[in-house]
Amino acid sequence: QVQLQESGPGLVKPSQTLSLTCTVSGGSVNSGSFYWSWVRQPAGKGLEWIGRVSTNGRTNYISSLKSRVTISLDTSKNQFSLKLTSVTAADTAVYYCAREPEGDYADYWGQGTLVTVSS
Amino acid sequence: DIVMTQSPDSLAVSLGERATINCKSSQSVLHRSNNKNYLGWYKQKPGQPPKLLISWASTRESGVPERISGSGSGTDFTLTISSLQAEDVAVYYCQQYYSSPLTFGGGTMVEIK
Repeated sequence: QVQLQESGPGLVKPSQTLSLTCTVSGGSVNSGSFYWSWVRQPAGKGLEWIGRVSTNGRTNYISSLKSRVTISLDTSKNQFSLKLTSVTAADTAVYYCAREPEGDYADYWGQGTLVTVSS
Repeated sequence: DIVMTQSPDSLAVSLGERATINCKSSQSVLHRSNNKNYLGWYKQKPGQPPKLLISWASTRESGVPERISGSGSGTDFTLTISSLQAEDVAVYYCQQYYSSPLTFGGGTMVEIK
């Protein structure tokens, strides 16, 4: 059974960089035809797909965040990460990591982690 | 980017009655090469991550009750709960994975009347 778990600071100051890690267990981040993605959800609002990285390191990002976001794999730790620079209060949200078989639907999700941007 | 529009925003249905949620994409998500609709449905309860219910517009995931079904093709899709149960109270989202960026509908909250 594949499991994903997000980790990282719950509070980030405005203009700083948000950094989150997703640890994968029950499967390898560099095997199979999977994409590893990040999705966020502001309180009381809908889901926003941020982007993803494939097992061979190819990335896709949402246009509105493309200049600020990096998603990467760390195969030695079986993890993937999200970095979002120059954050503002608008980036406050629950951040989820997920697995997409062949870049399709998300079949496994982490429990989510709340990141608040505030001074 | 493909825009996904769900309707209604919320609906209240009596226990045992039918609930119907609509999802419309701004362009077709039907891939002609394999005749598959790149459309999924998720269920989210408060404080929980989304759970995949339906993939390929109509393929029910393992463990999903038969009262939940998906239909539609091209740009118009429907999620139907044939006989609403208390555990179906949640927010439901459609998502297209036809092209990047993947995009979600705004969500539909289903409640008990």
